[in-house]
Amino acid sequence: DGGITQSPKYLFRKEGQNVTLSCEQNLNHDAMYWYRQDPGQGLRLIYYSQIVNDFQKGDIAEGYSVSREKKESFPLTVTSAQKNPTAFYLCASSISSRGSNQPQHFGDGTRLSIL
Amino acid sequence: DAKTTQPTSMDCAEGRAANLPCNHSTISGNEYVYWYRQIHSQGPQYIIHGLKNNETNEMASLIITEDRKSSTLILPHATLRDTAVYYCIVRVPMKTSYDKVIFGPGTSLSVIP
Repeated sequence: DGGITQSPKYLFRKEGQNVTLSCEQNLNHDAMYWYRQDPGQGLRLIYYSQIVNDFQKGDIAEGYSVSREKKESFPLTVTSAQKNPTAFYLCASSISSRGSNQPQHFGDGTRLSIL
Repeated sequence: DAKTTQPTSMDCAEGRAANLPCNHSTISGNEYVYWYRQIHSQGPQYIIHGLKNNETNEMASLIITEDRKSSTLILPHATLRDTAVYYCIVRVPMKTSYDKVIFGPGTSLSVIP
């Protein structure tokens, strides 16, 4: 089945540690996105990528980094510089990043907690 | 940015139609209205989207008013599995290279047996 796979589902981080969240899609979509969701709030954009080897900062990029070496993969690293990393992280993809007639499709998320 | 307002919560009896309203009074002519839903601890699930005309798919119907300032998502026969938070959003073209997606708090729909 086509879709977006995020792993792991739950992740724990120690203080001062970097962690990487995986996102893989087999939808052949060019655009991919990372969002952060805090309890009772909407989604906030961290980074997005229009195409392989390209990515742009979203609204809350500080303390995060990404790479896009392959079309199907868009991993997110939460660095030690992110002071409040506990949240639900969602990866999404769409055919392209422009063209508002194209829905974004989401994975099932990774819940990150601080030990 | 075009923003949306939705009721915080709604109840619906199982088997009845669920009608979820959304106001988007500042929407521009080329901005689509999208609906997603999110069940606890899962990612948002795409439901339907539209521009001007009413739309229907296997999950729901979307009714957009003629002035496009509001819309209604209709789940024709609600089941317990439809209990979720429903988000009405508008894709906003930005000067940068992507169309911004603004998720608000949404409507928490409870389907009651």
